[in-house]
Amino acid sequence: QVQLVQSGAEMKKPGSSVKVSCRASGGTFISYTISWVRQAPGQGLEWMGGIIPVFGTPNYAQKFQGRVTITADESTSTAYMELSSLNSEDTAIYYCARDQYSGYDFNYWGQGTLVTVSS
Amino acid sequence: QSALTQPRSVSGSPGQSVTISCTGTNSDVGGYNYVSWYQQHPGKAPKLMIYDVSQRPSGVPDRFSGSKSGNTASLTISGLQAEDEADYYCCSYAGSYTPYVFGIGTKVTVL
Repeated sequence: QVQLVQSGAEMKKPGSSVKVSCRASGGTFISYTISWVRQAPGQGLEWMGGIIPVFGTPNYAQKFQGRVTITADESTSTAYMELSSLNSEDTAIYYCARDQYSGYDFNYWGQGTLVTVSS
Repeated sequence: QSALTQPRSVSGSPGQSVTISCTGTNSDVGGYNYVSWYQQHPGKAPKLMIYDVSQRPSGVPDRFSGSKSGNTASLTISGLQAEDEADYYCCSYAGSYTPYVFGIGTKVTVL
C-alpha cells in the first residue's frame, strides 16, 4: 500500500522560502512521477511541477519557473518542493501526488501541507 | 495555460444521473487521451476517479464513467448517492510546456 506522508504546516513571512517534504512508502519510489499540486483557500487545484526520481530532471509549470525547485532523494524515498519569494497568494495547501496507472494520473496523494504567508 | 472550463455546480436527486463537462482546447483535452477526474470532499485530499478519459481505477464504483468528444471531456455519475456530494476536478495533460492543467472544479449537490 503506497503512502505519501508530508511535512507539517508552515508559517512564513513574505519574501521568504518554504521547503515541503513528501516521504513515500510501500512502493517503488524511483520509477514513478511525484507531482506537486497546490490549492489556495476555497480555490481549485493547480499543478506546479513534477519529477521522476530515476531521471532526476524536474518539470515545472511555466507559472512557477524560476521560483520553484523540486528534488528527490532516492536514499530516503523523499521528494521536496521548495518555493521562494513567497507572497500572500502562495497561501495554500500543498499536496504531493504519485501516478500509478498510465503515468498521466495522480492516484496517490499526500495529506497536504498548509503553508501560510503572512507578515 | 488557462484552467479548463467546468460548470460551477450541478445537482441531482438520489438515483438520478448527472454529467459534468470539462472543456479545453486542442492543446490539452482535444490533443491527448490523458484526461483524469478527481473527487474531493471538504478537508480531504483529492481522489482519482477516472484516468485516461474513461478508465476506472480499482475500487471506484462503475457508477462513475468518463468520455471525451473533441475538446470536451465528461464525467457521468449514474445512480447518484449521498456520498457523491463533493467537488470534482478534471485534469488534462497539455504537452511538455506546462504538462498538466486542471479544471476550475464543479460542486455536485445531492438533493
